[in-house]
Amino acid sequence: AQSVTQPDIHITVSEGASLELRCNYSYGATPYLFWYVQSPGQGLQLLLKYFSGDTLVQGIKGFEAEFKRSQSSFNLRKPSVHWSDAAEYFCAVAILSGGYNKLIFGAGTRLAVHP
Amino acid sequence: DGGITQSPKYLFRKEGQNVTLSCEQNLNHDAMYWYRQDPGQGLRLIYYSQIVNDFQKGDIAEGYSVSREKKESFPLTVTSAQKNPTAFYLCASSMTSGRNEQFFGPGTRLTVL
Repeated sequence: AQSVTQPDIHITVSEGASLELRCNYSYGATPYLFWYVQSPGQGLQLLLKYFSGDTLVQGIKGFEAEFKRSQSSFNLRKPSVHWSDAAEYFCAVAILSGGYNKLIFGAGTRLAVHP
Repeated sequence: DGGITQSPKYLFRKEGQNVTLSCEQNLNHDAMYWYRQDPGQGLRLIYYSQIVNDFQKGDIAEGYSVSREKKESFPLTVTSAQKNPTAFYLCASSMTSGRNEQFFGPGTRLTVL
C-alpha cells in the first residue's frame, strides 16, 4: 500500500542552523512528491515538488529537497533556518487511484526554532 | 487574485446538529477535495470531486456529505452521524489531469460543544 513516513514528530533547531526533515515514501510507480508547510491555524502552502528530471529541487523560502529513488526518500533541507520557519511540514506523494489524483500525506514534522 | 476561500473560519455546533462548511475556488480547477486534520494524524481525505455533479467518498466519509452543483463550489456538511466532528477541515483543489499539486484553503475549525 502507498504510504508516507515522516520519522520525526518534533524537531528543534537554533536560528541560523541547518535543517533536514526526513521523508520516506512507499509507492510502486514513479512518485510525484511534494513538501507543504502549515502555520498554526492556517492552510497548507506548497514549498516544492518533484515530478521528474533533476533530483535536487529548489522551492520557495530557501528550501530544497533531494529525491533519492534507491532510498525511497525525499528529504527537505534548508542551510540556515529563520525564526519564521517555525511551522509544521508535511511530505506527500501523489498517486492515481481509481482515475483520480490523490495525495497521501505523512503525519507531519513540527519545527521549533530557538533564537 | 486566484485562490480558495473557506468560511467560516471558526464554527461551533451543538451535538445533534448538522453544519455546512463552505469552500469556493476561482482557480478554474475541475477537482476539489475535503480533508480532516487532527493533531498528529496528518490529513485524511473525506470526499473528492473531479467534475460538477460527481463526487466520491474518500477514506473517512462516514458522517459527512457533499454536493458539487457548481465548478467553483464544494460545500461539506457534517451530520449528526459523525461521532467525533471536532477537527480542522481543509478544502483543496487541483487540475484533474495527471498527478498535480493541490492548492489549499485557509481551513475551518469546527468545535462541537
